[in-house]
Formats: sequence, structure tokens, C-alpha cells
Amino acid sequence: AQSVTQLDSQVPVFEEAPVELRCNYSSSVSVYLFWYVQYPNQGLQLLLKYLSGSTLVKGINGFEAEFNKSQTSFHLRKPSVHISDTAEYFCAVSDQGNTGTASKLTFGTGTRLQVTL
Amino acid sequence: DTGVSQDPRHKITKRGQNVTFRCDPISEHNRLYWYRQTLGQGPEFLTYFQNEAQLEKSRLLSDRFSAERPKGSFSTLEIQRTEQGDSAMYLCASSLGDRGSDTEAFFGQGTRLTVV
Repeated sequence: AQSVTQLDSQVPVFEEAPVELRCNYSSSVSVYLFWYVQYPNQGLQLLLKYLSGSTLVKGINGFEAEFNKSQTSFHLRKPSVHISDTAEYFCAVSDQGNTGTASKLTFGTGTRLQVTL
Repeated sequence: DTGVSQDPRHKITKRGQNVTFRCDPISEHNRLYWYRQTLGQGPEFLTYFQNEAQLEKSRLLSDRFSAERPKGSFSTLEIQRTEQGDSAMYLCASSLGDRGSDTEAFFGQGTRLTVV
């Protein structure tokens, strides 16, 4: 079984400030890691994913995340946020399956990023 | 291709009624997933299909819930005898599955169900 913990339910930040959203996971098998963003009354949009290789992953909208296997973490960062980044952010894991394909996602409870002027 | 499409976007129903939701995946995607999301929570896995075969069901999926994917294209999720606890956003996602490097699921905008 897998689980995901997002340590902060809400993160308030001023525009143009840096931000880090924390994510820790547990799994007995190798996993893929994802960050999704959800705007109000919308579905989820993929920000970035870690499959293998370099532990620093760059995504859309200036976000990046770093995979740390020893700490089982996958924290999301952005050096300078914008008002439009206000949304709910979800960390998720998927096991790699027998053929290396991703399967069902296990999500954290989400972090609400609130950007203000 | 316009992405994963879900219909309806919103549904209000009285307790005890049956409801059915539809999901049209991205064409060529042979995996289709259903998730449920309640307020303040992350999405929770319900079930998934590989083509027309339903390969896994969560324990969250009570016997009042049934999902189908005839011919491996669109899928329907039916809830019988709805209860207030069924009120949630129901999300559908699709992915390539075994057709390629399947490492990403694409989500629809969801169907918000309110049971009154």
C-alpha cells in the first residue's frame, strides 16, 4: 500500500516570493511521483512528474520539484509566485507496474496555495 | 482532440434516486480511471478499465456503484439509491495504458454530484 502526506493544508505567500509545498510518501515498491494543480471547479492538470534519472524535475509554469529517496520526499518549489498560482496542489504516487507503466494514483490531501499582493 | 470529457458537469438529485455519469476519454487511450473527491480531500481511486475490462475496484466502491466501459470507449458510472454521503466530485482520467510510455493520466473537469 502507498500513502502520501502533504504537511501543509494551506500556504499563504505574497506575490513574487518563493514558495515550497511539502510532500512525503511511503511505499514498499518503486514509484512514480507527480504534482497536480486544481483550479476551482476544475479537473486536475499535471505540473510535473518524476519517473527516473535526475532528481530535479522541471515542470510547467516555472515549478520544479526534487525527489529525495532517502527522505521519501518530493517537495514542490517556485522561486517567484504569481497571483494566478493561487490553487490547490496535490502530490500523488503511482507504482510502476510490471511493464513500467503508471497505474492508479494515490493522492495527498492537498495544499491550498494562496498568493496575495 | 479536446481531452477527457465528462457529462454532466453538475447533477443535483434527491436521496434514493439513481444517477449515471458519462466519461469520454482521449481517443487512443485504453486505460480509464474513476476517482471521487470530497471537499477538502484529494481524489480517491474508485475503479479502472483497460479497454473494456474492469481490472480493479476499490473497497470504496459499494454495491450501489457500478461502472461499465462497453467496447472500450466511453465509460459510465452509475450510483443507485443515492445517499447524502455520495455528494462529491467524480473525476474521470485516461491514459495510454500499454500502448506506449504510459506515465501520465489526463483528467476531465469532473461531475459534481449533490444529493439533497
